[in-house]
Amino acid sequence: EVQLVESGGGLVQPGGSLRVSCVVSGFSFDNYAMSWVRQAPGKGLEWVSTISSSGGTYFVDSVKGRFTISRDNSRNTLYLQMNSLRAEDSAIYFCAKDKARWSGYWNYWGQGTLVIVSS
Amino acid sequence: QSVLTQPPSASGTPGQRVTISCSGGSSNIGSFTVNWYQQLPGTAPKLLIYTNNQRPSGVPDRFSGSKSGTSASLAISGLQSEDEADYYCATWDDSLNGFLFGGGTKVTVL
Repeated sequence: EVQLVESGGGLVQPGGSLRVSCVVSGFSFDNYAMSWVRQAPGKGLEWVSTISSSGGTYFVDSVKGRFTISRDNSRNTLYLQMNSLRAEDSAIYFCAKDKARWSGYWNYWGQGTLVIVSS
Repeated sequence: QSVLTQPPSASGTPGQRVTISCSGGSSNIGSFTVNWYQQLPGTAPKLLIYTNNQRPSGVPDRFSGSKSGTSASLAISGLQSEDEADYYCATWDDSLNGFLFGGGTKVTVL
């Protein structure tokens, strides 16, 4: 059974940093692209970042230079390092598994971890 | 405001057909396939349609997708109460070099 479990969310002050993680099981992690998608309270979905199976990374413009995505294939874990956090980064952060090495759609999602940026 | 435009809401009575549009441009829908996600209240999104019109296993055939030019559509036939959810279209955008979601459409079963 495929499982994705996010953790690491919490309350952080503006300008602060936070790292969220996604531990996966039930599939060969290193064979798939992985992504982070966020959803601000009461708002729609927003793609944040993707890391390909070979390590290539992509980011939405609003987080470029502030967020880093990485993966530890030995630990079956996806990370999102978030620096210089802003109030507008407050959201539920979902990790999502690509259907293939790079298909452009996500067939499994975690339950999400909540990040609140506030003083 | 999203680059992919969806109506904010749609509704129908049980058994009716509801259609949701997703309008984009040449750098996104016009060049790449479209996927649709369903998000039930308080849950994570779920893949509903991929590559314009393909259904993952387990998705009822009441759900169908199509694409023409720079627009795509999701149709729900035989609307059921459990279809009340938010629906999002998504695709890649070559100009932005990233993925895009539509703003989402809330479907209400009257």
